[in-house]
Amino acid sequence: ETGVTQTPRHLVMGMTNKKSLKCEQHLGHNAMYWYKQSAKKPLELMFVYSLEERVENNSVPSRFSPECPNSSHLFLHLHTLQPEDSALYLCASSQAGSYNSPLHFGNGTRLTVT
Amino acid sequence: AQSVTQPDIHITVSEGASLELRCNYSYGATPYLFWYVQSPGQGLQLLLKYFSGDTLVQGIKGFEAEFKRSQSSFNLRKPSVHWSDAAEYFCAVVGAKTSYDKVIFGPGTSLSVIP
Repeated sequence: ETGVTQTPRHLVMGMTNKKSLKCEQHLGHNAMYWYKQSAKKPLELMFVYSLEERVENNSVPSRFSPECPNSSHLFLHLHTLQPEDSALYLCASSQAGSYNSPLHFGNGTRLTVT
Repeated sequence: AQSVTQPDIHITVSEGASLELRCNYSYGATPYLFWYVQSPGQGLQLLLKYFSGDTLVQGIKGFEAEFKRSQSSFNLRKPSVHWSDAAEYFCAVVGAKTSYDKVIFGPGTSLSVIP
């Protein structure tokens, strides 16, 4: 079992649908992240929840909405997406403030918007 | 501004040959450096990390990396590549530790291995 679990692994949705991505970490970390990985582009940090503080990339469209009910669970709510939102969405966790704690990633959700 | 460059977009090596993947970073203070590997359809897995001390660090799967402050480099090496090493490799740097880890990733190097 990996320390960070993402569901679903694959998701196909139409532009008018509403769906959610789920992430759960079993590492006792206090920070969780959403990254977007598109072909031919660098990893893009979308959102961070750390020590109950939410940090976001201002360039992320409002059709993406994160939710972090506790330090172990993270959601990414999706609505009225565009085809260019098709990508691999990666969740990660870390122990923020610790100098010896790298990011731990889940296996990602492959999202296709039709 | 902090940045990471990986000059090689794609590298092809023969199985059993040695490997070196290049990484250069830009950061004013002592950086925290990482190498991650991503197999197709998977997330990123940590190969190794450097924080301080010995500039030659050992990682998993037989990989090692050397931190050279004078060259702002953190190159990844492996003496003998296996076919299963074919993957995407990312170099990353963390700047100052704040309330979260602001990790800057390089663009990645895709490794192909010829049997």
